[in-house]
Amino acid sequence: NAGVTQTPKFRVLKTGQSMTLLCAQDMNHEYMYWYRQDPGMGLRLIHYSVGEGTTAKGEVPDGYNVSRLKKQNFLLGLESAAPSQTSVYFCASSAPRLAGVLKYYNEQFFGPGTRLTVL
Amino acid sequence: AQSVTQLGSHVSVSEGALVLLRCNYSSSVPPYLFWYVQYPNQGLQLLLKYTSAATLVKGINGFEAEFKKSETSFHLTKPSAHMSDAAEYFCAVSDIGSSNTGKLIFGQGTTLQVKP
Repeated sequence: NAGVTQTPKFRVLKTGQSMTLLCAQDMNHEYMYWYRQDPGMGLRLIHYSVGEGTTAKGEVPDGYNVSRLKKQNFLLGLESAAPSQTSVYFCASSAPRLAGVLKYYNEQFFGPGTRLTVL
Repeated sequence: AQSVTQLGSHVSVSEGALVLLRCNYSSSVPPYLFWYVQYPNQGLQLLLKYTSAATLVKGINGFEAEFKKSETSFHLTKPSAHMSDAAEYFCAVSDIGSSNTGKLIFGQGTTLQVKP
């Protein structure tokens, strides 16, 4: 199993350009997430999806859009890139696991990241 | 709402010394807690998790963590640091208040430096 993969690994954009980051998972997970990681700020959730065809906003959604047309793929789009979007982007997926009677937890599996620079 | 605080953004230890990375959480319900490790230029990898079974949890690479409800803590320890342990470590708690979306709330991270 490849787990969670991300494409591309690196990208440099000019301000105003658009691009799409692709995340793919082969673990048949229902849930998928996009994070950004900036120095000293940990991981911040951008958008997430709890199933094919559904998406929801996370902590920092402005300037990003997402789509989940297929269960295994989660796309993150930047319509008009800004220097403030320079960051490392991580995708993750998870599925509920039994923790007890009628209790479930989710362990997230992460991709290797995409390093994006916006000039 | 849940939250996670990692005390100390940078921790430096000598090779062979005890590693202690601190994590305190805030949660109105019994939490599920996680420690992840991120090696340079890589994604996050699960070290260990607490899911309300044993309070002392053992993980990979010799790490363990103890859930202490009275102290709302989940500190990560390793008896003897190795050079390969140098990485960034994240504590996380399940966002139970979001009706099982699987979301995690992450701490700010602690960078572990291991000196020879």
